[in-house]
Amino acid sequence: DAGVIQSPRHEVTEMGQEVTLRCKPISGHNSLFWYRQTMMRGLELLIYFNNNVPIDDSGMPEDRFSAKMPNASFSTLKIQPSEPRDSAVYFCASRTSGRGGVTYNEQFFGPGTRLTVL
Amino acid sequence: EDKVVQSPLSLVVHEGDTVTLNCSYEVTNFRSLLWYKQEKKAPTFLFMLTSSGIEKKSGRLSSILDKKELFSILNITATQTGDSAVYLCAVEGGGAQKLVFGQGTRLTINP
Repeated sequence: DAGVIQSPRHEVTEMGQEVTLRCKPISGHNSLFWYRQTMMRGLELLIYFNNNVPIDDSGMPEDRFSAKMPNASFSTLKIQPSEPRDSAVYFCASRTSGRGGVTYNEQFFGPGTRLTVL
Repeated sequence: EDKVVQSPLSLVVHEGDTVTLNCSYEVTNFRSLLWYKQEKKAPTFLFMLTSSGIEKKSGRLSSILDKKELFSILNITATQTGDSAVYLCAVEGGGAQKLVFGQGTRLTINP
């Protein structure tokens, strides 16, 4: 299994530009999570999806951030317009729900996208 | 609001020492506590704990949960330089499926 795949691995952009981060979860996983990690705030959940449906987006910092999951194998996190304070490592993680409705919360993380907004 | 606090924030020891990392939490409707190891890349899963008093063990690493006192510890014996990393504790609760992470403990093992 290839694990969670994220692209790009590094992104450098200028303030005001649109940024799109991409994630392919592990095949068969039905929950997907977007996190942001900074030195100051640590690892923070931005949004998560179950079966392609957004469940909780309370961690999304503001309207400049949006996320979609058009199908079970692809999700995007978009920042428009980007600002220097958005500079961080963005992780995507996925997991599966167990049988009989029992949920196993071992999340598998992708390699992350290091975003720098100048 | 759910909260996870780890201590110490930073720890430097010599190879061969034993270390204990701490994680305390406040969460409604606790479901599980997880430990992750993060080196330069993504966090990698170590343990998931759901029941009090049952030790999980993997090689030189072990962990235990106390649901009455709301904390967990991660022990590493006979530390090696490869154990140097940030160790993250996370808790699932509140009826949701999301994890709340602590700020991490940065462990440095000197040869």
